[in-house]
Amino acid sequence: AQSVTQLDSQVPVFEEAPVELRCNYSSSVSVYLFWYVQYPNQGLQLLLKYLSGSTLVESINGFEAEFNKSQTSFHLRKPSVHISDTAEYFCAVSSGGGADGLTFGKGTHLIIQP
Amino acid sequence: DAGVIQSPRHEVTEMGQEVTLRCKPISGHNSLFWYRQTMMRGLELLIYFNNNVPIDDSGMPEDRFSAKMPNASFSTLKIQPSEPRDSAVYFCASSVVGLAGGNEQFFGPGTRLTVL
Repeated sequence: AQSVTQLDSQVPVFEEAPVELRCNYSSSVSVYLFWYVQYPNQGLQLLLKYLSGSTLVESINGFEAEFNKSQTSFHLRKPSVHISDTAEYFCAVSSGGGADGLTFGKGTHLIIQP
Repeated sequence: DAGVIQSPRHEVTEMGQEVTLRCKPISGHNSLFWYRQTMMRGLELLIYFNNNVPIDDSGMPEDRFSAKMPNASFSTLKIQPSEPRDSAVYFCASSVVGLAGGNEQFFGPGTRLTVL
């Protein structure tokens, strides 16, 4: 069985400040890791994913996440946030690279304060 | 590309009524997933299909829930009879299995179901 823990349900930060959203997972098999973002009243959009290779993965809008196998973590970071980053962020794990269903964390609401 | 299409976007019904949610996956995608999102339980996988065949329905909460995929371009999730605790946002997602780069799941906008 797999599980994902997002330690913070809400993270308030000031605009242009750095942010880290924490994600830990547990699994008995090799996993693939994902971060999805959900804007109000919308579906989920893939932000970035780790399948193999380099443990540091980046998105096109400045987010990055690092896979740490020893700590079973996949924390999401951004050096400088914008108001437009306000959203719900979900960490997810899959043993099939997304070919099977995703197991999601409870989500972290990122609140950007001006 | 229109993306994953779900209908209706909002559904309000009374307890005991039958509810049918619909999903059209992205053309060419061969996997389809149904998820449910609630405040209490977060996002949960209900069932998924590969090439129109149900692969894992262990997340379907009760026999009141059923899902079908009669062809590659259409799927339904049916609740009969509906109960207030079924109130949630139901998401459909699709992907292409077998890509070397991994299988990103593309989500629809969701159907917000309210059972009174």
